Amino acid sequence: EAQVTQNPRYLITVTGKKLTVTCSQNMNHEYMSWYRQDPGLGLRQIYYSMNVEVTDKGDVPEGYKVSRKEKRNFPLILESPSPNQTSLYFCASSSGRGDTQYFGPGTRLTVL
Amino acid sequence: QKEVEQNSGPLSVPEGAIASLNCTYSDRGSQSFFWYRQYSGKSPELIMFIYSNGDKEDGRFTAQLNKASQYVSLLIRDSQPSDSATYLCAVSNQAGTALIFGKGTTLSVSS
Repeated sequence: EAQVTQNPRYLITVTGKKLTVTCSQNMNHEYMSWYRQDPGLGLRQIYYSMNVEVTDKGDVPEGYKVSRKEKRNFPLILESPSPNQTSLYFCASSSGRGDTQYFGPGTRLTVL
Repeated sequence: QKEVEQNSGPLSVPEGAIASLNCTYSDRGSQSFFWYRQYSGKSPELIMFIYSNGDKEDGRFTAQLNKASQYVSLLIRDSQPSDSATYLCAVSNQAGTALIFGKGTTLSVSS
């Protein structure tokens, strides 16, 4: 089954404790992206990657890092999480620029 | 800042009626337009995409695009209670590297 997977699905952590949210896709997509969704603000892009070793900032990159060492994986790293990073996070992938993006199931993160 | 605007709703329609959802966008360079459906706490699910001016039909769903007016719409015919969800309009940026989302319209279909 073609899909985007994320882990963990739910995470409660404390301020300053480094964490990684994994994202993997099995569709051989070149493009991958991370979004966060907050009430009243909608979905906003954090980072994206056009291919292996090619990443760039989206609209809200502060406090996040990403890497793309393999085509299928695109982890999101929060090196020092803060409460304002409490949100619902979605990973997405597509076959290329402007193409349909397929979303993972989401990771609900709470930073205390 | 490129924007996508939608009425937040809620839009309430009876079962079997036509639901009409609208969206305007600010980036004239956008080339790809999408409608996603999102149930509470779940991920966005693609309903329709449209690239060219005019109408595109898929089952009970019709997407309409007017690039001159920077307007996208989604019609849902024979609405069902299972269609009750938040509908997100998304527009690709000119570079094709991001989707700009509206805040969504909540649709409620009553039986």
